[in-house]
Amino acid sequence: KNQVEQSPQSLIILEGKNCTLQCNYTVSPFSNLRWYKQDTGRGPVSLTIMTFSENTKSNGRYTATLDADTKQSSLHITASQLSDSASYICVVSDVWGGGGADGLTFGKGTHLIIQP
Amino acid sequence: NAGVTQTPKFQVLKTGQSMTLQCAQDMNHEYMSWYRQDPGMGLRLIHYSVGAGITDQGEVPNGYNVSRSTTEDFPLRLLSAAPSQTSVYFCASSYSVGLAADNEQFFGPGTRLTVL
Repeated sequence: KNQVEQSPQSLIILEGKNCTLQCNYTVSPFSNLRWYKQDTGRGPVSLTIMTFSENTKSNGRYTATLDADTKQSSLHITASQLSDSASYICVVSDVWGGGGADGLTFGKGTHLIIQP
Repeated sequence: NAGVTQTPKFQVLKTGQSMTLQCAQDMNHEYMSWYRQDPGMGLRLIHYSVGAGITDQGEVPNGYNVSRSTTEDFPLRLLSAAPSQTSVYFCASSYSVGLAADNEQFFGPGTRLTVL
């Protein structure tokens, strides 16, 4: 069964510090990997989408990496701000089939708290 | 564009009651889906639709019905609410099914449902 495991489950850091969130997956065949940010009480919003051939992708202070050989991804947040407090969800898409019926396997998310 | 809209934002039901969660999108997306999000679990697919008149079951369809009479609307019906259906429900849409890397998925703001 396709799986996406995220770590840590929760993380507290001080404002201005950097942090890295991890995502390991066993989805096969692989199509793409997405990181979403979900603010409390809101729906997920896409941060990055990475395909097999992409190693690194940035979106402002967010940088995602992908190692398709080891099936690992990370999301690095630089110079954290209070507004970064949210849940970060890793989602892996297969080439239609397996995972969920829509080809998506969701991680449980990492809950990040930025303290002033 | 309003994007993906959901109503109501909050709802409390008694066991056995029925209700419809509304979802609409104004992006002319063919693919729409419903997820539920429970504490400690990833988003789970309930039902999805690849176009008007076409729906299919996801991972957790029991107790829910859907229909898709127009491209814009994708309502989710709870036939006889049970406490196990207490959850946050998200509707999502994307241009097409298969979620290739250039096919971003947009989520609505969610409906928080409590069944007593």
